[in-house]
Amino acid sequence: DTGVSQDPRHKITKRGQNVTFRCDPISEHNRLYWYRQTLGQGPEFLTYFQNEAQLEKSRLLSDRFSAERPKGSFSTLEIQRTEQGDSAMYLCASTLAGLADTQYFGPGTRLTVL
Amino acid sequence: GEDVEQSLFLSVREGDSSVINCTYTDSSSTYLYWYKQEPGAGLQLLTYIFSNMDMKQDQRLTVLLNKKDKHLSLRIADTQTGDSAIYFCAETAAGRLYFGRGTQLTVWP
Repeated sequence: DTGVSQDPRHKITKRGQNVTFRCDPISEHNRLYWYRQTLGQGPEFLTYFQNEAQLEKSRLLSDRFSAERPKGSFSTLEIQRTEQGDSAMYLCASTLAGLADTQYFGPGTRLTVL
Repeated sequence: GEDVEQSLFLSVREGDSSVINCTYTDSSSTYLYWYKQEPGAGLQLLTYIFSNMDMKQDQRLTVLLNKKDKHLSLRIADTQTGDSAIYFCAETAAGRLYFGRGTQLTVWP
C-alpha cells in the first residue's frame, strides 16, 4: 500500500459525457502527477502540480482535459465530452520533491468510453 | 528523455534468475527506476539507482547501470511465480518520468 488513493477505480461512460477523477496523494508529498496508460504501453505524463500550482502540461492534454489541486492536497482530473480514444488507465503519483523524486503511484482509475 | 526501450517478453523457470534489460536516452537523468505492475493494478516502486552508482543490491534485486552505454538492468534472483508481472524501466527528465513499454515476465513452476 503506497498511500496514494484514487477514486473511482472504474468508470464506464458514454461518448460525449463528462467525467471527473480524484486523487489523494501521500499527505506530506508536495508534488502530484497525472499519467495515462493505454493497453500495452507504459504510462505517459499528462501534468503535474507542486503544491497548488500546475507547473507543466503535456501536449497530450487537450483542452477537453483540466486538472486542479485547489488546496495543494487532493487533485481532480476532468475530461469533458469524452471520446472513445480517452479509454485508458489514469494514474496518479506523488512525491516529496528532492527526495530522489521517487514517485509513488495510486491504483489508477480505469476509464471505458462506450 | 522520451525513448526508453525494453524487450517485451521474458519467460523463466521458478528458481532461476531473471534479467530484464533497458536502454534510455537522457544522460542527465539523476535517477533511474524500476516499477512492477500486476494485472489491473497501479505501479509499485521496486528500486531506483542514483546515476553516479554502477550497482545497487536490495535483497533479491540487483540493478546494474552502464552510463556509457545508457543501459540499465534488473536481476531478480530465485524468481518466484509471484514475480510474474510487467516490469517498467523509467528515467527522469524535468521532474517527469519517462517509461518504457514494459517487459512481461512469466515465471513457470
